[in-house]
Amino acid sequence: DTAVSQTPKYLVTQMGNDKSIKCEQNLGHDTMYWYKQDSKKFLKIMFSYNNKELIINETVPNRFSPKSPDKAHLNLHINSLELGDSAVYFCASSQLGGADSDTQYFGPGTRLTVL
Amino acid sequence: DQQVKQNSPSLSVQEGRISILNCDYTNSMFDYFLWYKKYPAEGPTFLISISSIKDKNEDGRFTVFLNKSAKHLSLHIVPSQPGDSAVYFCAASDLNAGNMLTFGGGTRLMVKP
Repeated sequence: DTAVSQTPKYLVTQMGNDKSIKCEQNLGHDTMYWYKQDSKKFLKIMFSYNNKELIINETVPNRFSPKSPDKAHLNLHINSLELGDSAVYFCASSQLGGADSDTQYFGPGTRLTVL
Repeated sequence: DQQVKQNSPSLSVQEGRISILNCDYTNSMFDYFLWYKKYPAEGPTFLISISSIKDKNEDGRFTVFLNKSAKHLSLHIVPSQPGDSAVYFCAASDLNAGNMLTFGGGTRLMVKP
């Protein structure tokens, strides 16, 4: 029973295209996140989002935008893809104010390759 | 500017012995620390955490120690098992900064049978 799921698992696309990665969590959490793991394997936060607030890491280009149709979903839209966007993208979720409110649970990742 | 550092990229340990993974941080605003384990082609899996008000937290074979004055934490695994072989990430958060995690670069642990 998957807690945090992402689709697709692999995404190969051409430079300049627009693509989306979907994320869903069935944990009832109210906060979701997107992280990027680059070629050097560093995991870096991109966004934190709940129904009240979007927090954006200032280093994230505005070609990246999170969109949340409801509390259980946070999709990542990327416009005008560039070679440097190639990475593994992880979605995560947590429940603010819960018993383990600072513990984030991660999805399996989406490997994006831009050609 | 790496605020969380894991200076050992890899560690090799014999099965049954203790594994000690280290992590240093620079941001004194961090108040919650976590360890994640990651297998290839999977997402990070939460292992254990510790609040800045504590100096030790134990869960089965896993114990995390926090030394606030040194801005250092460590994860002890005892006894180590071959299934523990994975990449371990240290992470820290500042509740006032939206609970976004800052990760270290990871340490690859290999437990030899």
